[in-house]
Amino acid sequence: AQSVTQPDIHITVSEGASLELRCNYSYGATPYLFWYVQSPGQGLQLLLKYFSGDTLVQGIKGFEAEFKRSQSSFNLRKPSVHWSDAAEYFCAVVPVMEYGNKLVFGAGTILRVKS
Amino acid sequence: DAGVTQSPTHLIKTRGQQVTLRCSPKSGHDTVSWYQQALGQGPQFIFQYYEEEERQRGNFPDRFSGHQFPNYSSELNVNALLLGDSALYLCASSNSYEQYFGPGTRLTVT
Repeated sequence: AQSVTQPDIHITVSEGASLELRCNYSYGATPYLFWYVQSPGQGLQLLLKYFSGDTLVQGIKGFEAEFKRSQSSFNLRKPSVHWSDAAEYFCAVVPVMEYGNKLVFGAGTILRVKS
Repeated sequence: DAGVTQSPTHLIKTRGQQVTLRCSPKSGHDTVSWYQQALGQGPQFIFQYYEEEERQRGNFPDRFSGHQFPNYSSELNVNALLLGDSALYLCASSNSYEQYFGPGTRLTVT
C-alpha cells in the first residue's frame, strides 16, 4: 500500500546535539517530498522540499534533508538543535501519478529538546 | 502579504449540528485544500478545490462538502456532526506543488 512512514514517534535530543528524523515512503514512482513543522496548536510550516535534482536540499531554520532513492527515504537533519526546535515534524509526499497535489502525511515525530 | 487565514479559530458544536469553516488563500494562490488533523495524528486530506471545482477527494463521507468562490476563498461544511469529527481543520493554499497552511480551526463536538 502507498504510505509515508515516520518510524520514531518521539525523539529527545540535548540542545546543541545533532538531529536526524527518519522518513520512508512507499510509492511506485518517486513522489514529491516535503518536511513540515508544527508547534503546539498551530498550523504547519514548510521546512523544505524535494522535486528533483540535487539529493541534498537545504531548508529554513538550518534544516537539511537527503533524498535516497535506493532506500525510499527522505531524512531530515540539523547539525545543532536549539530549544526552539521542539515541535512536531511531519514528512509528507505528493504522489506524482495523481491529478492534483494532495499531501499525504506521515504520523509525525515529536521532538523534545533537553537543556 | 497576508498568509492563509481561517475562521473561526475555535468552535464548539453539538452532535447532529452542521458547521461551516472558512479559508482565505494566500495572495496569488488559486488552489485550496482541506485537511483534518485528529489529536496525535498527522493531517488527513479531505478534498481540494481548483477553479471552483472539487479536483481531488480523500476518504471522507459525503457529510463533508465544500465550495470555492471566484475569489479563491473556500468553505468546508460538515453536516450531522459526530463526536469523531472533533479535530483541527487545516486549510492550505497553493499555485504549485508547495502548499501553505493556515493556523487551523479547532472544532469540538460535544
